Amino acid sequence: NAGVMQNPRHLVRRRGQEARLRCSPMKGHSHVYWYRQLPEEGLKFMVYLQKENIIDESGMPKERFSAEFPKEGPSILRIQQVVRGDSAAYFCASSPTGDGNTIYFGEGSWLTVV
Amino acid sequence: GQQVMQIPQYQHVQEGEDFTTYCNSSTTLSNIQWYKQRPGGHPVFLIQLVKSGEVKKQKRLTFQFGEAKKNSSLHITATQTTDVGTYFCAYGGATNKLIFGTGTLLAVQP
Repeated sequence: NAGVMQNPRHLVRRRGQEARLRCSPMKGHSHVYWYRQLPEEGLKFMVYLQKENIIDESGMPKERFSAEFPKEGPSILRIQQVVRGDSAAYFCASSPTGDGNTIYFGEGSWLTVV
Repeated sequence: GQQVMQIPQYQHVQEGEDFTTYCNSSTTLSNIQWYKQRPGGHPVFLIQLVKSGEVKKQKRLTFQFGEAKKNSSLHITATQTTDVGTYFCAYGGATNKLIFGTGTLLAVQP
């Protein structure tokens, strides 16, 4: 059973470009979470999605950031017009139940904005 | 709102010494989880505590959940270089999303 798969693992973008990060949850998991970790900092919740629904996006910046989890395919975290401050590790996690119990993390996507 | 503070932020120990990190909440928690993140790696689940006063052990690691379910600790006996990393506590917030503490970075000198 494959774990949570994230790609790309590393992404370099110039300021103003778009970044798309993909996350395939573990098999049988329909709950996906995105977290951001700035250098030397903790994990900040961004968004919680179920298939085709955004459950909680209270941690998402109001502009430039969006997330989706379509019926088919991976969850996508999209950052438009990236700025240097967006440079961070973006972790996806999945859960089978969404009940606040154990979540399983992917290996992360490291975004560098130059 | 609910706040969880984790202390210390950073701890440097000699190999063989003990280490403890503490997680303190301003409100009662339904449960608490602990994760470890190696440098350059991703968070890995260690354990979940649910009951008041609960104590769980994993080899050299001892986890406690306070009687009032407002604090928790992780204690490592006789640290090894493989224990290096950041230890996070986490709890279920509104909509059951997991909210992470600030983390404690452990450095172990051989």
